[in-house]
Amino acid sequence: NAGVTQTPKFRILKIGQSMTLQCAQDMNHNYMYWYRQDPGMGLKLIYYSVGAGITDKGEVPNGYNVSRSTTEDFPLRLELAAPSQTSVYFCASSYAGTVVPDTQYFGPGTRLTVL
Amino acid sequence: AQSVTQPDIHITVSEGASLELRCNYSYGATPYLFWYVQSPGQGLQLLLKYFSGDTLVQGIKGFEAEFKRSQSSFNLRKPSVHWSDAAEYFCAGLEYGNKLVFGAGTILRVKS
Repeated sequence: NAGVTQTPKFRILKIGQSMTLQCAQDMNHNYMYWYRQDPGMGLKLIYYSVGAGITDKGEVPNGYNVSRSTTEDFPLRLELAAPSQTSVYFCASSYAGTVVPDTQYFGPGTRLTVL
Repeated sequence: AQSVTQPDIHITVSEGASLELRCNYSYGATPYLFWYVQSPGQGLQLLLKYFSGDTLVQGIKGFEAEFKRSQSSFNLRKPSVHWSDAAEYFCAGLEYGNKLVFGAGTILRVKS
């Protein structure tokens, strides 16, 4: 199993450009998540998905969009990049059943700089 | 809303010394709590988790954590630190909807 994979690893964008951060998992997990990490702030949840076709906002969703057309993939879209979106982005996945939730597994991250 | 607090931004310990990283949570019911470690430029790796049962939880790499309901704490410990333990450590709690709430992190430096 590759686990959770993310592409690209690094990206520099100009203000106003758009891009899609890719995330895929091969563990057949139903839940997937996008976080952003800023120094001294921990990780903040942007969006999450409980299954294909179902997404919901997290704590910091403004400026981002997501879709989940398959169980495996959960891309994050930035439509009009702003300097405030300079951050490290992590995708994660987990299997949440009806009793005890499972661990979230994280990808290696995408480091995005907006200039 | 639930919250997780890590009071120490940076901690420096000597190699071979013991380590304790603090974590406090504010959850009403029995919390699901986690410790993750992040090496520079890497993703997050799970060290250990607490769901219920024994309040002393063993993890990977020789780490353990103790859940203390009376103190709302879930501190991470290691009896003897190695230089390779230098990293950033995150405490997190699981809230409704299987969403993690993270503390701000503690950066561990190890002196040789």
